[in-house]
Amino acid sequence: QQPVQSPQAVILREGEDAVINCSSSKALYSVHWYRQKHGEAPVFLMILLKGGEQKGHEKISASFNEKKQQSSLYLTASQLSYSGTYFCGTVSNDMRFGAGTRLTVKP
Amino acid sequence: DSGVTQTPKHLITATGQRVTLRCSPRSGDLSVYWYQQSLDQGLQFLIQYYNGEERAKGNILERFSAQQFPDLHSELNLSSLELGDSALYFCASSEGTGANTEAFFGQGTRLTVV
Repeated sequence: QQPVQSPQAVILREGEDAVINCSSSKALYSVHWYRQKHGEAPVFLMILLKGGEQKGHEKISASFNEKKQQSSLYLTASQLSYSGTYFCGTVSNDMRFGAGTRLTVKP
Repeated sequence: DSGVTQTPKHLITATGQRVTLRCSPRSGDLSVYWYQQSLDQGLQFLIQYYNGEERAKGNILERFSAQQFPDLHSELNLSSLELGDSALYFCASSEGTGANTEAFFGQGTRLTVV
C-alpha cells in the first residue's frame, strides 16, 4: 500500500517554512524522503530508521513516529532551489512512494 | 551522477510490441528496484530484486517481467505494449534491502507507445 502524503501542493515565498506529512497503514522499518525536479530523477534527501537514527542532508530535518507510522519533513527558510516534488518512501517489505507533494518557492 | 545507468534514455514503439529496459546499478549495490512514473504522477513500485533473487513485487502487470543477472544488472521486459504503458521507467539501486540504506535513481527511460 502506498503511503499518503499531504498536502498535495504548497506555494511558498523565499524564507518561509513548510511541513510535508507522510503516513502509512503498515508497520515500517524506515521512511525515506526524496526530491524530484521536473524531468529529472528523484534525489535522496533523508532516511529515518526505527530507533531514531537518521541519515541525510544537514539542512533537512524530519521526524518519524514509529508507533503512528507517520513522518514529517520540515523545510525551513526555504530557497528557490527547494522547488520540486517531494516523495516519501516507506519501507516495510519493499519501498513504496506516496503521490508526492509539489512545492513551489517564489521570490 | 547517481552511478545508476539506464538504457535507452528514450524509446518510441508501437502498440503490441515488446521492449527491454536495462539498468546497471551502482557498484556494490545488491538491490535493484523498478518504478513506473506516468505523466506528473507518483512513483509506482513494480518489482525489487536483491542479489539476483526477486524480493518484492508491486503493481506489475503480467505483461511485464524482470530479472537480475549474476553481474547484478537488471532488465525490465514490457510486452504487448498498450498506449497506457507510456511512462518514465526508473530503476534505483541500494546497497542493502532498502530498510536502512538510501536508494539511488537512474535518469530513467522514457517510453512512448504510439
